[in-house]
Amino acid sequence: AQKVTQAQTEISVVEKEDVTLDCVYETRDTTYYLFWYKQPPSGELVFLIRRNSFDEQNEISGRYSWNFQKSTSSFNFTITASQVVDSAVYFCALSEGQGGSEKLVFGKGTKLTVNP
Amino acid sequence: DTEVTQTPKHLVMGMTNKKSLKCEQHMGHRAMYWYKQKAKKPPELMFVYSYEKLSINESVPSRFSPECPNSSLLNLHLHALQPEDSALYLCASSQYQRPPYNIQYFGAGTRLSVL
Repeated sequence: AQKVTQAQTEISVVEKEDVTLDCVYETRDTTYYLFWYKQPPSGELVFLIRRNSFDEQNEISGRYSWNFQKSTSSFNFTITASQVVDSAVYFCALSEGQGGSEKLVFGKGTKLTVNP
Repeated sequence: DTEVTQTPKHLVMGMTNKKSLKCEQHMGHRAMYWYKQKAKKPPELMFVYSYEKLSINESVPSRFSPECPNSSLLNLHLHALQPEDSALYLCASSQYQRPPYNIQYFGAGTRLSVL
């Protein structure tokens, strides 16, 4: 069975601090996809990144970086030099299957508050 | 452009009312989704349409009735809802069976209150 665990329910940091959001997943499939979404208070889920199970390269996009480690079934997300606008709920999600299933299994989310 | 538009943004309805939520996308996506999200919870999948046909129904009560009149539009018809149905209803769309399949793009949602 698929499962995504985001152990951190809430994190509060001061602006310019670095922060890492943890995501641990469980799946029996060898082909799967991992995602991160951001949900600001407005409600819309914003797609941030998709990573497939065969691509373990870490990725950096501006202040955002992702560390994918199959050995520990983790897909962690780091925000460098956090800003107030980064305040949101962040969801990690998993989708199984070679072509990508329509079903996304979400973690419970981590609420990040960045204080000025 | 990765825009999914949902209307209305807010809706208040009584338990005897009939209302509809609307979702529109012009990205050429052939899969569209309805999710329900309660406060402080992750989104829960309700329905999936693939090529305008219902492909997944996650055992949703019949008071929720989805409709996909064409490849750009998705409706959710609501009838005789209960107060516990109050939630944020999110629509999403994605490519289907061609890359970058399975990246779901979400709308801003409709905040529904059932009195």
